[in-house]
Amino acid sequence: GQQVMQIPQYQHVQEGEDFTTYCNSSTTLSNIQWYKQRPGGHPVFLIQLVKSGEVKKQKRLTFQFGEAKKNSSLHITATQTTDVGTYFCAGPHAGGTSYGKLTFGQGTILTVHP
Amino acid sequence: EAGVVQSPRYKIIEKKQPVAFWCNPISGHNTLYWYLQNLGQGPELLIRYENEEAVDDSQLPKDRFSAERLKGVDSTLKIQPAELGDSAVYLCASSLDGIRAFFGQGTRLTVV
Repeated sequence: GQQVMQIPQYQHVQEGEDFTTYCNSSTTLSNIQWYKQRPGGHPVFLIQLVKSGEVKKQKRLTFQFGEAKKNSSLHITATQTTDVGTYFCAGPHAGGTSYGKLTFGQGTILTVHP
Repeated sequence: EAGVVQSPRYKIIEKKQPVAFWCNPISGHNTLYWYLQNLGQGPELLIRYENEEAVDDSQLPKDRFSAERLKGVDSTLKIQPAELGDSAVYLCASSLDGIRAFFGQGTRLTVV
């Protein structure tokens, strides 16, 4: 079945440093989504990328979707303590009875030291 | 707009006992999901509903887990009997477009 892998598993940064997490899928994705989960919280949708090579920005966050639509990245510039949490990528199956099923990566846990 | 509501937030039960979780999705969202999240892992789909129909339950351990979504709105997930390995957070999510998911706060189950 489809697998979605994320690296790194953990990232510790000093406040102000940049952070990047990478996501790779074993299959081509129709789109990819990113979620953030604060400690003790639930996943919250951040963004969806649909087009090959797409780049989207949300303030200090930059999201990229690979040309082959099998990988993606999230980059945070100048991290702040509010960025702490686990960042998940998720890819939906396309077609068949599994359409709409989200397969999540294992997440990257980000800690930010003030 | 109210978000996805789940109850209870926490549940502690002894092994072999039954347990049930309840979910009220966002109004108008026809797609409803139940996910299981183990510590340090991403959510894993248990079952997906389109209205009242379970369209993907391939990951649901049917020997002990059951779910229903009567009238295509609220949903319940039941485990009977619970095992120690069922300890996890059970997340309910709903979607308007079948793609972007809105998650509830989850129910943290501890089986002792």
